Amino acid sequence: EPEVTQTPSHQVTQMGQEVILRCVPISNHLYFYWYRQILGQKVEFLVSFYNNEISEKSEIFDDQFSVERPDGSNFTLKIRSTKLEDSAMYFCASSAFGQNYGYTFGSGTRLTVV
Amino acid sequence: QKEVEQNSGPLSVPEGAIASLNCTYSDRGSQSFFWYRQYSGKSPELIMFIYSNGDKEDGRFTAQLNKASQYVSLLIRDSQPSDSATYLCAVNAAAGNKLTFGGGTRVLVKP
Repeated sequence: EPEVTQTPSHQVTQMGQEVILRCVPISNHLYFYWYRQILGQKVEFLVSFYNNEISEKSEIFDDQFSVERPDGSNFTLKIRSTKLEDSAMYFCASSAFGQNYGYTFGSGTRLTVV
Repeated sequence: QKEVEQNSGPLSVPEGAIASLNCTYSDRGSQSFFWYRQYSGKSPELIMFIYSNGDKEDGRFTAQLNKASQYVSLLIRDSQPSDSATYLCAVNAAAGNKLTFGGGTRVLVKP
């Protein structure tokens, strides 16, 4: 069964530091997404990415956030200056055909900002 | 703000019984509807999706959709302790490229 792989599984960082969360989507998928889930809260959309550009982003995805597909396999989320409220589980997802057909989620990165 | 609402539970179900979960959504233009299962501390796992009004069955799971009432449900037949998890309803945006998730219903299947 193909998987979406995320690294690291847990990242602890100091407030104000930059973090990069990494994802390897399923190889033949074309649509990529980042979601986050603050402990005890809903899964929230951050950004979608298709054809090497952002196709949609949420209000959460402000100038502190950026995404990149630096090569043919990796998809990264960068948070430039982390805040305490950025502490959450970050999920990468990918899809072959877009959101109408559901996603496969990675196992997530738990980000703790101290 | 497009909303997806679910009863948070917990929904306590005896082993072997049917668990019935409900979800309502506000975006009348939504076209596809998903049920995900999420174990504590894990990522969401797609169980099934439905596009058309009516029922769709997949093994022990049945999804039901009523677009006029903006309502989607999930039935879990012959519930097993391993079904104990949080079930997330997700709805595609009518315009755009994202899913909107409900807060989830926690299901507890008791042996």
